[in-house]
Amino acid sequence: SQTIHQWPATLVQPVGSPLSLECTVEGTSNPNLYWYRQAAGRGLQLLFYSVGIGQISSEVPQNLSASRPQDRQFILSSKKLLLSDSGFYLCAWSTSPFAGAQEQYFGPGTRLTVT
Amino acid sequence: AQSVTQPDIHITVSEGASLELRCNYSYGATPYLFWYVQSPGQGLQLLLKYFSGDTLVQGIKGFEAEFKRSQSSFNLRKPSVHWSDAAEYFCAVADDGQNFVFGPGTRLSVLP
Repeated sequence: SQTIHQWPATLVQPVGSPLSLECTVEGTSNPNLYWYRQAAGRGLQLLFYSVGIGQISSEVPQNLSASRPQDRQFILSSKKLLLSDSGFYLCAWSTSPFAGAQEQYFGPGTRLTVT
Repeated sequence: AQSVTQPDIHITVSEGASLELRCNYSYGATPYLFWYVQSPGQGLQLLLKYFSGDTLVQGIKGFEAEFKRSQSSFNLRKPSVHWSDAAEYFCAVADDGQNFVFGPGTRLSVLP
């Protein structure tokens, strides 16, 4: 069966420090991968999605970036964190190139607090 | 672009009572609709989905949802709520591309 991992589970970083969050999927090939951010008490905001290695689409301009160095690995990065980057970051995957044709499966999330 | 509204930010029900969580969407064509549940500090779990066909869909944990095109709604229901159902519930709509939009969520509290 397929599983999705995210790490770290929690992270506290000072303003201006770099960030690297990792997401990996097991048990499937060539998944679509997604990064979402969930601010406190808010819904989910799609940040990036990827339909293949090296293919990244950005939904929201920000100081974050994403990379997909391997088929089942998705990394969210920042060179300098802002206070507004605090939130709950969720990685998700789907099996279809069309998001509407298949549901997304979510990882356990990473709680990021920028101090 | 599609959008989703969940009119109720927070709902409190007693254990054993029935539940209905509202979801309205805006989309020009036939949408793909989903309900997810999120326990505190956890990821999202899919409860059910609607792609086509029967407008009443059954999901896990005893939940069901009904797609009403005329009302642009996809309300989630459960006949008898359990204390373990306390969580955040998200409705989502997707088109046949890469556009997957979540509603703001409804927090459900369950009284013993």
